[in-house]
Amino acid sequence: GNSVTQMEGPVTLSEEAFLTINCTYTATGYPSLFWYVQYPGEGLQLLLKATKADDKGSNKGFEATYRKETTSFHLEKGSVQVSDSAVYFCALSDRVGNEKLTFGTGTRLTIIP
Amino acid sequence: NAGVTQTPKFQVLKTGQSMTLQCAQDMNHEYMSWYRQDPGMGLRLIHYSVGAGITDQGEVPNGYNVSRSTTEDFPLRLLSAAPSQTSVYFCASSLERGSYEQYFGPGTRLTVT
Repeated sequence: GNSVTQMEGPVTLSEEAFLTINCTYTATGYPSLFWYVQYPGEGLQLLLKATKADDKGSNKGFEATYRKETTSFHLEKGSVQVSDSAVYFCALSDRVGNEKLTFGTGTRLTIIP
Repeated sequence: NAGVTQTPKFQVLKTGQSMTLQCAQDMNHEYMSWYRQDPGMGLRLIHYSVGAGITDQGEVPNGYNVSRSTTEDFPLRLLSAAPSQTSVYFCASSLERGSYEQYFGPGTRLTVT
């Protein structure tokens, strides 16, 4: 079956530090990959996505590249802000038009001034 | 547009009680789903619907019922609440085809004592 593995949290960084949150996946076929973000007290929001190998998703300074050879979709940001403090979820859907998502366990990120 | 709305925000039940969690969306999305979020386990799919009158089971359906009589509404029923159903419940919706983004509601925090 499908699975998503994220790096364990929590992660605490200073403002302006470089961020990497690792995500690897197992899936049949050619999945689409996503990063969702959950701010305190809110539901999940789509942060970025990539639908085929070598695609790079980007939004709000965050980036992730779909690496088929390493089955990875690591999230990166060059300079984090306090407002980036949230829980980040990596997810996949396993075929085109399939909206059923398989989520990782989430990584809590805290940015300190 | 209000997006995806959920009620109530918080609920406490005693073991054996029943209740319905409400979910509505005003985006004319065909696909709706219910997830539960538990610490260290990410989000797990309970039930989903690809359109009015059509529902199917997800990963953890036991103890829950759903129905989809209209495109807008997708209620989740707990038949006989158990402490293991203590969780945060999220409803989500998306266009069925050609859309990979799911829109999440703000969640319902349920405690079963």
